[in-house]
Amino acid sequence: DIQMTQSPSTLSASVGDRVTITCRASQNISPWLAWYQQKPGKAPKFLIYKVSSLESGVPSRFSGSGSGTEFTLTISSLQPDDFATYYCQMYKTYSYTFGQGTKVEIK
Amino acid sequence: QVTLKESGPALVKPTQTLTLICSFSGFSLSTSGVRMSWIRQPPGKALEWLARIDWDDDKFYSTSLKTRLSISKDTSKNQMVLRMTNMDPADTATYYCARTTEYGGFDFWGQGTLVSVS
Repeated sequence: DIQMTQSPSTLSASVGDRVTITCRASQNISPWLAWYQQKPGKAPKFLIYKVSSLESGVPSRFSGSGSGTEFTLTISSLQPDDFATYYCQMYKTYSYTFGQGTKVEIK
Repeated sequence: QVTLKESGPALVKPTQTLTLICSFSGFSLSTSGVRMSWIRQPPGKALEWLARIDWDDDKFYSTSLKTRLSISKDTSKNQMVLRMTNMDPADTATYYCARTTEYGGFDFWGQGTLVSVS
C-alpha cells in the first residue's frame, strides 16, 4: 500500500502568516492528490483536487502544488477560520490513503 | 442540494456485525459516473478509506479490511450500506459516507456517526 506522510504534524502560526504543509507519497501518485480541512467534530471539507484544482467555493488563499511524490498545500494569508487540521489524500488503482494530518494552531 | 446522512447503532459488542446506512439526496447512484465511499476516523486519529461502490455496482475495498467488509446500494431508496463483520474495540470510530469524484477525491460528506465497540 502507498503511504502518505505529512509534515509538520503541528504548526503554530499567526493570522496573516503564509503557511505551507508538505505531503510525501511512498510512490508516484501524480496527479491524484487532494487536500481537506477538518474542524473538531465536523466532517472534512474538500479543498483541492488533482494536486492544484480548487474546489468550488474555496477561498483563493488556498493553493496546491507538487508532482510525483511531493506535494504542498499553501495558505497565502492565514485567516481565523483556517485554524483546523489538514489532510492530504491520494488515489491510485482503486485505493485511497490519507496522510496523518497537520494541525494548524494559533501561535 | 447534495446531502448525506449516516445511520446505525452507536454501540456494538465485540464479534458482532456492524451495519451502517448512508441516506443521500441531490444525486443518484444509478447515474453513470457516480461513486460513493465509506471512510472512518478513530477518535483523535487520521481518516481511513474503507470501501467504494460505483453506479455500475463495481465494488472496491481497503486491502487491510476487505475480508470483513461488504458494500451495497439500494438505488430505489437512495441508500448505500456498509457491513463490517467481527467488530473489535479497535474499530471504534466515526464512520462517514462520502460522494467520490472521478478525480479521486471526496466532495460531499455526511456528518458522521460514532460507533463504539465495547
